[in-house]
Amino acid sequence: EVQLVQSGGGLVQPGGSLRLSCVDSGFTFSSYAMNWVRQAPGKGLEWVSYISTTGTNIYYADSVKGRFTISRDNAKKSLYLQMNSLRAEDTAVYYCARDYDSNGPDFDYWGQGTLVTVSS
Amino acid sequence: QSALTQPRSVSGFPGQSVTISCTGTSNDVGGYNFVSWYQQHPGKAPKLMIYDVGQRPSGVPDRFSGSKSGNTASLTISGLQPEDEADFYCCSYADTYTYVFGTGTKVTVL
Repeated sequence: EVQLVQSGGGLVQPGGSLRLSCVDSGFTFSSYAMNWVRQAPGKGLEWVSYISTTGTNIYYADSVKGRFTISRDNAKKSLYLQMNSLRAEDTAVYYCARDYDSNGPDFDYWGQGTLVTVSS
Repeated sequence: QSALTQPRSVSGFPGQSVTISCTGTSNDVGGYNFVSWYQQHPGKAPKLMIYDVGQRPSGVPDRFSGSKSGNTASLTISGLQPEDEADFYCCSYADTYTYVFGTGTKVTVL
C-alpha cells in the first residue's frame, strides 16, 4: 500500500527556518513527481511547489519563491521542503502529494499533513 | 496566481444531483485540459476524485463526473449520498508551470 509519512512541523518564530520531510513507503518513489500543498487554518488548499522525478524541474508559487526550497533524495525515497524567512502567513498544515502522471495536478496520494505554526 | 472561483456552498437531498462550478481564465482552466477535483473531509487529507477534466481514478464511484466548457470546469455528483458531505476543491494547471486551486465548496447533504 502506498503511504507518505511526513515529519518536521512545529512552532517557529517569524524569520526562522524549518525543514519538512516526506518519506515514501510502498511505491517506486523515483518514478513520480512530487508536490507540496498547504492549507491555512480554516482556509482552502494552496499549491506550494513541484519537483520532477529527477529534480531537474522545480517550480514554486509566487508566495514562497525565494524563501522555500524543494528537494528530493530518491535513494532515501524522501521529499523535503526547506522553509526560510518564515512569516505568520506561512502558518498552515503542509501536505506532500504524489503527482500521478506529471501532465497536470493529479495528486493521487497525500501525506497525513504536518502543522507549521509561525508565531512569536 | 489567483485562486479559481467556486461557489461557497451547494446542497441537495440524498439521491439528488449537485454540480459545483470552477471558474478560471484562459491562462488556466480554459487553456488546458488539466483540471482535477479533490474531496476533503474535516481533519483529513484531500482525496483525488477526478483528473484531466473528466477521468475518474479507480475506486471512485461513477456518480462523480467532471466536464469543462470554456474557462469553467464542473464536478457533478449524481445520486448524492450522506458520505459525500465534504469540502471539494478544483485544481488546474496554469501558465508558467504552476498549479492553482479553487476557493473550495462545502457540499451539504440535507
